[in-house]
Amino acid sequence: RKEVEQDPGPFNVPEGATVAFNCTYSNSASQSFFWYRQDCRKEPKLLMSVYSSGNEDGRFTAQLNRASQYISLLIRDSKLSDSATYLCVVKGYSTLTFGKGTMLLVSP
Amino acid sequence: GAGVSQSPSNKVTEKGKDVELRCDPISGHTALYWYRQSLGQGLEFLIYFQGNSAPDKSGLPSDRFSAERTGGSVSTLTIQRTQQEDSAVYLCASSPPYLDTQYFGPGTRLTVL
Repeated sequence: RKEVEQDPGPFNVPEGATVAFNCTYSNSASQSFFWYRQDCRKEPKLLMSVYSSGNEDGRFTAQLNRASQYISLLIRDSKLSDSATYLCVVKGYSTLTFGKGTMLLVSP
Repeated sequence: GAGVSQSPSNKVTEKGKDVELRCDPISGHTALYWYRQSLGQGLEFLIYFQGNSAPDKSGLPSDRFSAERTGGSVSTLTIQRTQQEDSAVYLCASSPPYLDTQYFGPGTRLTVL
């Protein structure tokens, strides 16, 4: 099993749609979890941390399921500007491990 | 404040030449990371510096790759005898003390002809 696994997509959705991404991780001892966003030919940028109790930031909601070792990201009311690749990130023993990302394309 | 900066932004070199890539982390950040990202691929961890501790070099793909961090701040990634498969975007990131969040620089796009 890969350390951090994501569906590469692309997910093609219309503006205003709700879209959800899942990510699974293999290290049950992982403690920190994040979602990063990467625009085409740009560096990754932190979108949000993922807390055990789940957390929300505007249109974005992140959930963590430790028992099943997966993380989710829900985007409501999608905007054109949400088009990007979303990277699931898990802290291993000392460093972060990045998934390969899920591409989201929001169309008018 | 200033973010992570990297130089050069683009580097084209010939196979067999050595290259040096530079990273200036955010002031006060104690951790520094190097990654590379090939076209359409995920981030590949290369090396990690934390304060004055010995670096974690477990991600370096071969002994042609080395990195150093001087004075706990600026870091240089050196690739000797470059090969075409070294072509990628090399990203540097830094983290503040006691936090795992990484802040990335804009990257250096390396092309080996």
